[in-house]
Amino acid sequence: NAGVTQTPKFQVLKTGQSMTLQCAQDMNHNSMYWYRQDPGMGLRLIYYSASEGTTDKGEVPNGYNVSRLNKREFSLRLESAAPSQTSVYFCASSLSSNTYNEQFFGPGTRLTVL
Amino acid sequence: QQQVKQSPQSLIVQKGGISIINCAYENTAFDYFPWYQQFPGKGPALLIAIRPDVSEKKEGRFTISFNKSAKQFSLHIMDSQPGDSATYFCAARTTGGANNLFFGTGTRLTVIP
Repeated sequence: NAGVTQTPKFQVLKTGQSMTLQCAQDMNHNSMYWYRQDPGMGLRLIYYSASEGTTDKGEVPNGYNVSRLNKREFSLRLESAAPSQTSVYFCASSLSSNTYNEQFFGPGTRLTVL
Repeated sequence: QQQVKQSPQSLIVQKGGISIINCAYENTAFDYFPWYQQFPGKGPALLIAIRPDVSEKKEGRFTISFNKSAKQFSLHIMDSQPGDSATYFCAARTTGGANNLFFGTGTRLTVIP
């Protein structure tokens, strides 16, 4: 099992460009999450999907959109990238959104916006 | 505003020593307190977690101490090894609602051989 996979691993964008970060999990998990990690800030939740067909905003959703394509895949889209979106993005999944279910993280996508 | 405050920012420990990382929170709705370990270039991975109905949880060399009245919890790594060198994040999560996992700012641990 690959667990949680993310593509691409690295990306450089110019201000105003758009892109989609892809995430897939093969653990038959119901819930999926997108976080960003910035130095000195820890990880912050952008959006999450408690189950297929639902999405909700997290702590820092502005400038992002998400799509829960099916049970396995959850994508994050930047419509018009800004330098403030330079960050490392992590996708995670859990069996359900129950508090005590472990979240499993992917390897991350390092995004630089010039 | 940081919901979970973590200290220190970095920590250097000799091999065989004890590493201690502290976290504090204000939100009494938090009901689950995990610790994550992250190696360079990798995603965080769950290390150990505790619920607020117990004061201590131990798994091998890793122990969480939890003080509900003080709203503080800490990670102790006994007999620290060079392979423990990583960044450690405490976190806290609420039941129900927006189901959010709030992370501390991280502690970079270096264990010197």
